[in-house]
Order: sequence, then C-alpha cells, then structure tokens
Amino acid sequence: NAGVTQTPKFQVLKTGQSMTLQCAQDMNHNSMYWYRQDPGMGLRLIYYSASEGTTDKGEVPNGYNVSRLNKREFSLRLESAAPSQTSVYFCASIWTGDSNQPQHFGDGTRLSIL
Amino acid sequence: AQKVTQAQTEISVVEKEDVTLDCVYETRDTTYYLFWYKQPPSGELVFLIRRNSFDEQNEISGRYSWNFQKSTSSFNFTITASQVVDSAVYFCALSAPAGNNRKLIWGLGTSLAVNP
Repeated sequence: NAGVTQTPKFQVLKTGQSMTLQCAQDMNHNSMYWYRQDPGMGLRLIYYSASEGTTDKGEVPNGYNVSRLNKREFSLRLESAAPSQTSVYFCASIWTGDSNQPQHFGDGTRLSIL
Repeated sequence: AQKVTQAQTEISVVEKEDVTLDCVYETRDTTYYLFWYKQPPSGELVFLIRRNSFDEQNEISGRYSWNFQKSTSSFNFTITASQVVDSAVYFCALSAPAGNNRKLIWGLGTSLAVNP
C-alpha cells in the first residue's frame, strides 16, 4: 500500500547544482502533478501530466523540467538550482476516470538551496 | 478564473471548543469539485472530504462536518469539540473536471492551533 512515493525526502543543494526529484505511484493513476509549497503561498502547481507521454506547465514552471517516464513515474528536474527554489515539493496522482477520486499525495521532498 | 479564499490565516482555540474554518470559492464551471485536506505538523497532506457541485447535502464524519452552500459559494468545515490532535493547517481546494486535467486550485490554508 505504498501509494505515492517521493525520493529523496530531504536534500540540500548549492546554487547552480542540478537535481532530479523522483515520484512513483502504484495505483495505476493516469494523471500526475508536481506542486511546491512555500510559507504563506499555499500549494502551487509546477507541472502536470494528464496521461503518459504528455506534460503541461502549471502556475510556476520556470526553472523546472519534468519527464513522465512511464505511467508510474513522473520526475521533476532542477537544472540549475536557485535559492528561490527552496521549498517543499509534493507529487500527486489521480485516476481521472473516477470522479469520486481525490488527488493522492506523496509525503513531500524538503529541498534547501544554499 | 477559479479562485479559493480562506480568509482565516490562523485560528487558536482551547480544547473542546467548536471551530469553523471558512472557504469561499469562485468558478464559472457548472460542474466542479471541492476538497478539504489536512496538513499536520509532520507535513503530509491528508485528504478529508470531496464534494461535487451537484451535491449540496451537508456531511458529518465524527467530529467533523462540512456545510456546502452554492448560493454563497462556500464550503465551510466545522470541528466539534476540538482536540489537540486537530492542530494542523487545513486547505480548501477546487477542481473542475476539464478533460483529464483535474488541476486543483488551492486556498492559502488556515493554521489551526488547539491548545490544551
């Protein structure tokens, strides 16, 4: 009963370093999402993937890239990390074929950019 | 445009008090979904409830209850006889079933502190 798994849980980077945040779900969900959460800002959508092979920008995509590797996995890449990208990152997934379903979230990745 | 407003940034109550968290939303869609999530100090996001726009029945789950009123575009959450374990940030969110999109629009959250 893993649900949505995010790795790593914590990471500290130096400005300019690159990093990929991993997300995998085992619920056969078609849509996946990446959010960032900052104090006082709530959750903001970075990118989403409505289905395998498609990705679209959300509210705050600048500085990020994503890959929907397969139906299970949706990764988020920071090519050149900046202090403004210090945040908590959440991955979520949903089966959009069932309107009763909520988004299921991973436990988050706490990322600090020095 | 879609928007969710949680006007209460922080609420502090004493244990056993009742507390209501307000959520007001804006949307032009006729079909939409509303959600409440809880984020305890440990940081994970816990789904509490989903309500679709065609179902205005209020719902009660133990000490939790939700009041959905389309006339005022509100989806308020009440905790009865609050407990310390209810201390968390609570988020209200709105989703429209636009294709396979199902993006969530989030409020900024209400931080609830329940003091012993």
